[in-house]
Formats: sequence, structure tokens, C-alpha cells
Amino acid sequence: EDQVTQSPEALRLQEGESSSLNCSYTVSGLRGLFWYRQDPGKGPEFLFTLYSAGEEKEKERLKATLTKKESFLHITAPKPEDSATYLCAASQGGSEKLVFGKGTKLTVNP
Amino acid sequence: DTAVSQTPKYLVTQMGNDKSIKCEQNLGHDTMYWYKQDSKKFLKIMFSYNNKELIINETVPNRFSPKSPDKAHLNLHINSLELGDSAVYFCASSQFTTSGETQYFGPGTRLLVL
Repeated sequence: EDQVTQSPEALRLQEGESSSLNCSYTVSGLRGLFWYRQDPGKGPEFLFTLYSAGEEKEKERLKATLTKKESFLHITAPKPEDSATYLCAASQGGSEKLVFGKGTKLTVNP
Repeated sequence: DTAVSQTPKYLVTQMGNDKSIKCEQNLGHDTMYWYKQDSKKFLKIMFSYNNKELIINETVPNRFSPKSPDKAHLNLHINSLELGDSAVYFCASSQFTTSGETQYFGPGTRLLVL
């Protein structure tokens, strides 16, 4: 069965303290690996899609990377406004279905 | 401009009632989805439509029936509501282009069954 596992479940950082979130997946024939940000009471907001091992994408303080078994979301010098739940999802070739992980709740303290 | 919109935003109802949630996207996407997010914030796909045709139907009770009158709309009707149906329901839409795929989510409908 296709699975996506995120770690840690929760992460507290001080402002400026860089770290990484992990997403490991077991999806045969990965078509895409997606990262979303979700704020309380809102829908997931798209961040990145990665398609092949070795691919990297950046947006402001966030950088997503992909290997054959996992993806990392690196947060450089985070600010309090980066506090949110970060969701990872994978889709399989031939299917438009996204399988989501349970998310990592990030809190950045000023 | 709102890309994916849902109504209502909140829905409080009694067990046994029938209710509908509406979704509209103005992105011109071909594919639309319904997801359920439970109290533990786990997001799980329920249905997907492509150009008004059902393409994904996960293991969902048949009390849930999606309907797509056109490719910009995907509604979700729920019969005989149960306590366990309480959750946040998200609509999403996506399109494949040469630059890749993105799924855009609506703001969610918070359903509480009493």
C-alpha cells in the first residue's frame, strides 16, 4: 500500500534556527512529490512539486529536495510567519490521487 | 480572485439529516477532488472527477455522492449524516501542463454532526 510518513510530528524552532522536515514515501512509480503549507482554519497552500531524484526547488526561505525514498523541506533562518503545518503528498504514475502524510507542525518562536 | 471556492464554510446539523456542499473553481482545470480531513488533521482523498467523469472513488460509504454538473463544479451530497462524518471537507482542482502538476485547494467546509 502506498504510504507517506512525515517526521517529526511537531518541531519548535527559534527564529533564525535552520532545520529540515522529512517525508519518506513508499509509492511505486512515483509521479510527483508535493509539499503544501496549511495554516489553522485554512486549506492547504501549494508550495512545490518534485518529479525526479536529485531535483531541488526553492521559494524564499524554503528549499525542497527529493531522493528515491524521501524528500526534505529545508527551512533556512525561519521567521515566526513560517509557523504552520507542512504537508507532504505523493502521487503514483497513472493515477491523479494524492496520498498525504500526517504533516509536521512547525512553530517558530520570536 | 478566489480560485477554488466552497459553500458553506460551516455546517452544523443533526444526525440523520441530508446535506450538500458546493465547490466551484475558476481556474479552467479539468480535474476536481473531494478530500476529508479528520480531527487528527489527516487529509484523505474521497473522490476525483475529470471532465465530469468519476475517475477516483475511494472506499467511502455510499451515503456520500459526488455530482459534477460541469467541469467547473463538483458538489458533495451526504445522506443520513452520522457523528463520524464530522470533519473538514476540502475541494481541490488540478491541471497537468508542460511545467508540471499543481493541486489547488479550497478553504474547506467544517461539518459538525450533532
